[in-house]
Amino acid sequence: EADIYQTPRYLVIGTGKKITLECSQTMGHDKMYWYQQDPGMELHLIHYSYGVNSTEKGDLSSESTVSRIRTEHFPLTLESARPSHTSQYLCASRGDSSTDTQYFGPGTRLTVL
Amino acid sequence: KNQVEQSPQSLIILEGKNCTLQCNYTVSPFSNLRWYKQDTGRGPVSLTIMTFSENTKSNGRYTATLDADTKQSSLHITASQLSDSASYICVVSERSQAGTALIFGKGTTLSVSS
Repeated sequence: EADIYQTPRYLVIGTGKKITLECSQTMGHDKMYWYQQDPGMELHLIHYSYGVNSTEKGDLSSESTVSRIRTEHFPLTLESARPSHTSQYLCASRGDSSTDTQYFGPGTRLTVL
Repeated sequence: KNQVEQSPQSLIILEGKNCTLQCNYTVSPFSNLRWYKQDTGRGPVSLTIMTFSENTKSNGRYTATLDADTKQSSLHITASQLSDSASYICVVSERSQAGTALIFGKGTTLSVSS
């Protein structure tokens, strides 16, 4: 069982609102990731971090931002939510070895009205 | 461009039957290949991981194979159960100067019916 958590699990919010999706892990992993996944589609990497105070943009351009102030915590923020942001957001973490498994959180299903 | 192609896109089988999912990749330099199972509305869960030198790896009723020469992998599910209904994602790790990048396939959606 992976010790990686996401809150909220579901969020329905109006356009223009600021939201923060929480992700935390208790495995001491330096590497953490955010993915966006539309229903029936593949995962797209939108942000990653290799340690505290390190954040990078992923392959898919996203209007969201992330921060990594603590090893265990990697929140994602949308300053002004829009309907185009409606999607599932998955957080993941893994150890430093290339063969280490990437553990995924349960995801946050975001709906912007 | 590094790519991971999975087939079929979707598959429906009867409970108790076997099935095989395919994954072809063009990722280079290759580090390792993973198969994940993703239940609807949940995060993916790792089933197997294989490095360049490994040809096969089993996890219960799941058996993954890897042919690094042809850059092909398969996931064989034996005696399928209703709980096997999920999306199966092939993920190939690319070794780069910046570290290891993960290339995700689009997944195969498996439906097991009674």
